[in-house]
Amino acid sequence: QQPVQSPQAVILREGEDAVINCSSSKALYSVHWYRQKHGEAPVFLMILLKGGEQKGHEKISASFNEKKQQSSLYLTASQLSYSGTYFCGTLSQSNFGNEKLTFGTGTRLTIIP
Amino acid sequence: EPEVTQTPSHQVTQMGQEVILRCVPISNHLYFYWYRQILGQKVEFLVSFYNNEISEKSEIFDDQFSVERPDGSNFTLKIRSTKLEDSAMYFCASSVEAGLEAFFGQGTRLTVV
Repeated sequence: QQPVQSPQAVILREGEDAVINCSSSKALYSVHWYRQKHGEAPVFLMILLKGGEQKGHEKISASFNEKKQQSSLYLTASQLSYSGTYFCGTLSQSNFGNEKLTFGTGTRLTIIP
Repeated sequence: EPEVTQTPSHQVTQMGQEVILRCVPISNHLYFYWYRQILGQKVEFLVSFYNNEISEKSEIFDDQFSVERPDGSNFTLKIRSTKLEDSAMYFCASSVEAGLEAFFGQGTRLTVV
């Protein structure tokens, strides 16, 4: 079963903040975040392993709540280059050891000047 | 910077024809994957490949699909008899280890007419 992302789409003005959520009904081993621009390949952003860690680089960070099987991606002071569709990919504990990343339906982020 | 390369970038084929999509994963990576993305939809897992054999496949990956690593560098996806619904962007990806970030190629857009 695929993870559920929310919101489905969001429009921000440059400099505003956004939170994208990803939740799963399965016990998760890891959550992977990707950004895909129109017509391009998904680009890896970060991976979070079970343990409730938080990661980040520059103004993009993420958290993983293992108990709730949820991850959130935080984009602060958004830039025009952040526009794209964000996908979370989950690896459940039941299929750890193989590589079936299950992607969510995506969140389309549009940054306007 | 090492990258996953895919050829061709775009292929048009007639329904019922066989197609082979080619990928060159990053050289020190051991895990290889194929994903597909129907226009406007999420990325879907097809198959993972490790140690010269399929480690997992999805329900999409039926008998019409096969993968091969014919030499030390190429990784191919073959669709034996294409259907209209096979039209999609096909992404190849590779990773160093199970559970770590997967790096995606730029994709092959397959159009079945």
